[in-house]
Amino acid sequence: KAGVTQTPRYLIKTRGQQVTLSCSPISGHRSVSWYQQTPGQGLQFLFEYFSETQRNKGNFPGRFSGRQFSNSRSEMNVSTLELGDSALYLCASSGSRSNTGELFFGEGSRLTVL
Amino acid sequence: AQSVTQLGSHVSVSEGALVLLRCNYSSSVPPYLFWYVQYPNQGLQLLLKYTSAATLVKGINGFEAEFKKSETSFHLTKPSAHMSDAAEYFCAVSHTGTASKLTFGTGTRLQVTL
Repeated sequence: KAGVTQTPRYLIKTRGQQVTLSCSPISGHRSVSWYQQTPGQGLQFLFEYFSETQRNKGNFPGRFSGRQFSNSRSEMNVSTLELGDSALYLCASSGSRSNTGELFFGEGSRLTVL
Repeated sequence: AQSVTQLGSHVSVSEGALVLLRCNYSSSVPPYLFWYVQYPNQGLQLLLKYTSAATLVKGINGFEAEFKKSETSFHLTKPSAHMSDAAEYFCAVSHTGTASKLTFGTGTRLQVTL
C-alpha cells in the first residue's frame, strides 16, 4: 500500500511569490491534514480537509489556504511569501473510523524563502 | 485546551541503556495520546497511541508507554537503546472531536552513543 506522497520535496522561492504544494493521501483515506514544522515554532496545525471540505483550521493568516479534490488529493497554497514561511510542510492522511487521530505522514515539502 | 509538555530537548544514552523520554499532558477530558518519531529529512511515523483501552501501550521497535492519569504523564520507554533509535521523538495529543488536529510537544532529540 503506497504511503502519503508529497511533491515537490524541495523548493526555493523568493519573498512575495506564491507556492503550491501537493499531497496524495493513502488510498482510501478521506482526511488530509497539513502541518508546518519550523525550528522555532515546532509542529503547528494548518488545516484539515475531509471529503473536499475544510473541517478544521489552525491559527495561520489567510495567505495560507488549501483545497481537496474528489480523489482526496490535496493542495495547499501560500501567497505573498515571507521569510518566516521557510519550513517543512507535512501532509498527513487518516482513514480512522474510530476517530482516534492516528495520522500517516508524508516526507514533507521543504520550502526555503529567500 | 489540550497540550503536552516534553521535558528535555536532548537526551543522550549509551547503546544498550534504558531510554526514557518524558511527556506530560494537560487535558480536561480523557485524551488520546501519541508518540511519533522523526528521522532526519523524513516525515513522522507513529510509534504508539493511547486511546483508553489499556494504560500500558506497546508500540513498534520495542517502545512502550504508560498512561498515568494521577501524574498526567505518558512517558516513552525502551529497555535497551540501539543506534538506529537516534531520532527526534514527539508526544502529541488529539483534540476531542477533531481527531486529525494534533497538538505536538516540542520534541526530544535522542542521541545514542557507543
